[in-house]
Amino acid sequence: DSGVTQTPKHLITATGQRVTLRCSPRSGDLSVYWYQQSLDQGLQFLIQYYNGEERAKGNILERFSAQQFPDLHSELNLSSLELGDSALYFCASSVQSRELFFGEGSRLTVL
Amino acid sequence: AQSVAQPEDQVNVAEGNPLTVKCTYSVSGNPYLFWYVQYPNRGLQFLLKYITGDNLVKGSYGFEAEFNKSQTSFHLKKPSALVSDSALYFCAVRDNYGQNFVFGPGTRLSVLP
Repeated sequence: DSGVTQTPKHLITATGQRVTLRCSPRSGDLSVYWYQQSLDQGLQFLIQYYNGEERAKGNILERFSAQQFPDLHSELNLSSLELGDSALYFCASSVQSRELFFGEGSRLTVL
Repeated sequence: AQSVAQPEDQVNVAEGNPLTVKCTYSVSGNPYLFWYVQYPNRGLQFLLKYITGDNLVKGSYGFEAEFNKSQTSFHLKKPSALVSDSALYFCAVRDNYGQNFVFGPGTRLSVLP
């Protein structure tokens, strides 16, 4: 158990809908990272937050947004969903940018 | 920008034989290098890291990795493979600024009984 909690584990929704994925980092970790893993794209970095502020942005679509709250949990919002958004979404946390600790992921299926 | 290459999509090895999973990287400045393992339908698990010091790094489950600065490589090794080592392995690099971890495409390791 990495100490990083992600909910929901599985999510099935329809095209055009909006979903929210939640992540609770390890106790004491200020940084939260979001990654997307799909079969043909590997592990793609989406966005990083540090203590509530956005620190780095990767290949995150404009339809996607994220935030980190004062209690350090983070949410990834995916809107206007398309079939191609079906993927595993991982959250990871770290302290002082040392190794990342990953959650078990949220598997999103868009039908 | 930093990048990671894992030249082999798939590595097959017989149980009990040594295994190597290759990784090369490109980064500005001193590299921070990591190996992760992913079992089916699970998150990535941290195996080991190189920050500074000895070029041979020992990690979890008997794995080790060798940092080679001149060849910009960080190959993962294990002296005797187990069937339970079969999984997807990712190499990652972080730059000096620490804002972004970049992962390689992954190498699927199959250990045959």
